[in-house]
Amino acid sequence: DQQVKQNSPSLSVQEGRISILNCDYTNSMFDYFLWYKKYPAEGPTFLISISSIKDKNEDGRFTVFLNKSAKHLSLHIVPSQPGDSAVYFCAASGTYKYIFGTGTRLKVLA
Amino acid sequence: DGGITQSPKYLFRKEGQNVTLSCEQNLNHDAMYWYRQDPGQGLRLIYYSQIVNDFQKGDIAEGYSVSREKKESFPLTVTSAQKNPTAFYLCASSIYGGIHNEQFFGPGTRLTVL
Repeated sequence: DQQVKQNSPSLSVQEGRISILNCDYTNSMFDYFLWYKKYPAEGPTFLISISSIKDKNEDGRFTVFLNKSAKHLSLHIVPSQPGDSAVYFCAASGTYKYIFGTGTRLKVLA
Repeated sequence: DGGITQSPKYLFRKEGQNVTLSCEQNLNHDAMYWYRQDPGQGLRLIYYSQIVNDFQKGDIAEGYSVSREKKESFPLTVTSAQKNPTAFYLCASSIYGGIHNEQFFGPGTRLTVL
């Protein structure tokens, strides 16, 4: 049973436009969420996190939104840049470990 | 430079052989983790260690073993009991175990069983 789902395996966006990556979760006990970015043959790098006591967190071009009632979070990248092309994983935690989604491959077109 | 190193980057193994993947960190982190990534799947937790000389099974520990004799090292052994060992293996660490801590990942080791 996949507790964290990223239903879009891929997304293409024009450079300069907004990229919106989505993530849904099923466990209401999750209270901390993270986004990671991963390039091929490399380890994921941490992007941004959000606690369940917030509904928004911003860091530069990256903003994460959390809708607890819908059990949904999204990552907005504005403006999108070609270097943002990578696989993005969301992760959720409520205990000692994180549950990762399957990832969304973002391609930013120049 | 502080970070996590994994070696080797690519590893080939014959079926029936055990193989050990290295993971070293110089971040002075207490907690370390091993994940496995397969195509089309998220990262799945194999083992984790919140402190030296202690480790716990994750979601897919069967066929794997670990040790944590030193704070900076958390090697993973893939045994012949692991039915489908070909995968990308990622090691991670966090400043301490528990929730609400970002995990920092190494570059990964791609293991191929021939």
